[in-house]
Amino acid sequence: RKEVEQDPGPFNVPEGATVAFNCTYSNSASQSFFWYRQDCRKEPKLLMSVYSSGNEDGRFTAQLNRASQYISLLIRDSKLSDSATYLCVVSGGGADGLTFGKGTHLIIQP
Amino acid sequence: GAGVSQSPRYKVAKRGQDVALRCDPISGHVSLFWYQQALGQGPEFLTYFQNEAQLDKSGLPSDRFFAERPEGSVSTLKIQRTQQEDSAVYLCASSPAVFGTGSEKLFFGSGTQLSVL
Repeated sequence: RKEVEQDPGPFNVPEGATVAFNCTYSNSASQSFFWYRQDCRKEPKLLMSVYSSGNEDGRFTAQLNRASQYISLLIRDSKLSDSATYLCVVSGGGADGLTFGKGTHLIIQP
Repeated sequence: GAGVSQSPRYKVAKRGQDVALRCDPISGHVSLFWYQQALGQGPEFLTYFQNEAQLDKSGLPSDRFFAERPEGSVSTLKIQRTQQEDSAVYLCASSPAVFGTGSEKLFFGSGTQLSVL
């Protein structure tokens, strides 16, 4: 199976700061990339897709580096409500190719 | 309803019991997935349905696990002779897209937390 690796954290970040974390994947044939957010005891929810050219959604920026096989997520002006686990998801195109990382735990502190 | 619905929300089983977990996907969604999530881990793929066809069951950990979606809507995940290592949250997700198209947006249910004693 394809491997997706993330630093589990926790990342403790003061409110208002910028935080970034990466995810690496082992299958160079991977086609689609996503960040999901999971709150404690809740289901994962799609945060954003990751496109080759990089993409931004408000305070969130996602980037893909195919050569080095990693994707990143940058959160600017962090809010208390950003505290969650961020799951990196990589798809190779087949059903079992939708592989989740173990997640990075982010804690925004007041 | 508007989202993916799973029942029961919690299930406690004695080791050796059979359990059945239900998933009601969003109406009209073609794709349905089952995932297993252990504490502190990411979701692990179990099986995938495209309408009523089970196209991939490579993630099912043993032959004690069985899933069906007979009419292409509601799905049931059955675990026979439960073991303690089966304790986890079982997540169901659906998508309007056929997988492999690059449109892999999943809508997850709240999950069933299974505890095997």
